[in-house]
Amino acid sequence: SQKIEQNSEALNIQEGKTATLTCNYTNYSPAYLQWYRQDPGRGPVFLLLIRENEKEKRKERLKVTFDTTLKQSLFHITASQPADSATYLCALRDNAGNMLTFGGGTRLMVKP
Amino acid sequence: GAGVSQSPSNKVTEKGKDVELRCDPISGHTALYWYRQRLGQGLEFLIYFQGNSAPDKSGLPSDRFSAERTGESVSTLTIQRTQQEDSAVYLCASSLYFNNEQFFGPGTRLTVL
Repeated sequence: SQKIEQNSEALNIQEGKTATLTCNYTNYSPAYLQWYRQDPGRGPVFLLLIRENEKEKRKERLKVTFDTTLKQSLFHITASQPADSATYLCALRDNAGNMLTFGGGTRLMVKP
Repeated sequence: GAGVSQSPSNKVTEKGKDVELRCDPISGHTALYWYRQRLGQGLEFLIYFQGNSAPDKSGLPSDRFSAERTGESVSTLTIQRTQQEDSAVYLCASSLYFNNEQFFGPGTRLTVL
């Protein structure tokens, strides 16, 4: 069966360090993958999209990698700040053109 | 408006009652999506509208759930004979085209007593 998995345990890191979040998928032929940020009581906010033929995408302090051999995307926040504390969701669209499917999200806590 | 809006922000209802949740998408966005998010969980796709095409209802969990959209504007999600397991946050999103970047509303928190 198809699965998109993110670590359900919260990631706690110190301010200034790099946070790395993982999104693994099974039985998908991905067209692209998106990352969203969700704050408590709010809807998700789009951050980055990476296509299956792209290895890496950057936006300011954010970096996303996509390894279709490992079936994994990594989401990095460099020089993390307490304001980066939130839940981060990955979402995948497959080549069959089906709906975007979301992972369960990983909560990031950046401590000052 | 500037973003996707949803109403009400909170809804408490008794088991067995019907509820209607409203979504106002971003003007000009052709695609509109409804998701359900249970506490601490990811987003569960419910239904999708694209222009005047027939909606994709493949995610609706039961026939108690239905949704309508008027053209490319407002959408209403209706849950009939609510059950306690329907308690969740219901999120609406819109995008310029299908599966483009989705813009989410703040959600409606539904509590069924």
